[in-house]
Amino acid sequence: EAGVTQFPSHSVIEKGQTVTLRCDPISGHDNLYWYRRVMGKEIKFLLHFVKESKQDESGMPNNRFLAERTGGTYSTLKVQPAELEDSGVYFCASSQFTSGIYNEQFFGPGTRLTVL
Amino acid sequence: AQSVTQLDSHVSVSEGTPVLLRCNYSSSYSPSLFWYVQHPNKGLQLLLKYTSAATLVKGINGFEAEFKKSETSFHLTKPSAHMSDAAEYFCVVSEGGRRALTFGSGTRLQVQP
Repeated sequence: EAGVTQFPSHSVIEKGQTVTLRCDPISGHDNLYWYRRVMGKEIKFLLHFVKESKQDESGMPNNRFLAERTGGTYSTLKVQPAELEDSGVYFCASSQFTSGIYNEQFFGPGTRLTVL
Repeated sequence: AQSVTQLDSHVSVSEGTPVLLRCNYSSSYSPSLFWYVQHPNKGLQLLLKYTSAATLVKGINGFEAEFKKSETSFHLTKPSAHMSDAAEYFCVVSEGGRRALTFGSGTRLQVQP
């Protein structure tokens, strides 16, 4: 079974440009999460999809970040325009949905974003 | 609100000696607790999880952790370190129905030959 995949693995862009990160969850996983680790800081939650709906987007830093999950399959996270402080590693995770039971989140390898 | 404190940013041990990575948590509700590991250029992998069953939790690769409510701790241990254990380890908490995970700052484990 394929794990969570993320594309690209690395991205280097100039301040003010736009970048789109993609995450493909494990097939059949309804829950999809985005997290971010800024240099020297903890991994922080950004948002949570259940299928195509945003369940919790309390961690999104500002309106320069837009996440979508078309059709409840893969997800994209767009940063527009990118700022220097957006540099970091962006992780995607997915989990199955079973009512009342917490399920393990499976993480992808991350996308390392560098904004110059 | 939930939070996690990993007490050591770096731990260095010799191969074959015990490993102890310390974690304290804060949670308003009965938490679920996890340890994840990240090897270089790899994704985060779940080592073990506590979800209110047995307080001593066994995970993969010989790791285990004990949930101590009175001490609000969830320390990770392994009797004998192996070179392949060198990685960064994260203590993680989740509470209530909210599925977002809260991560500690990570402990980098170095294993000396």
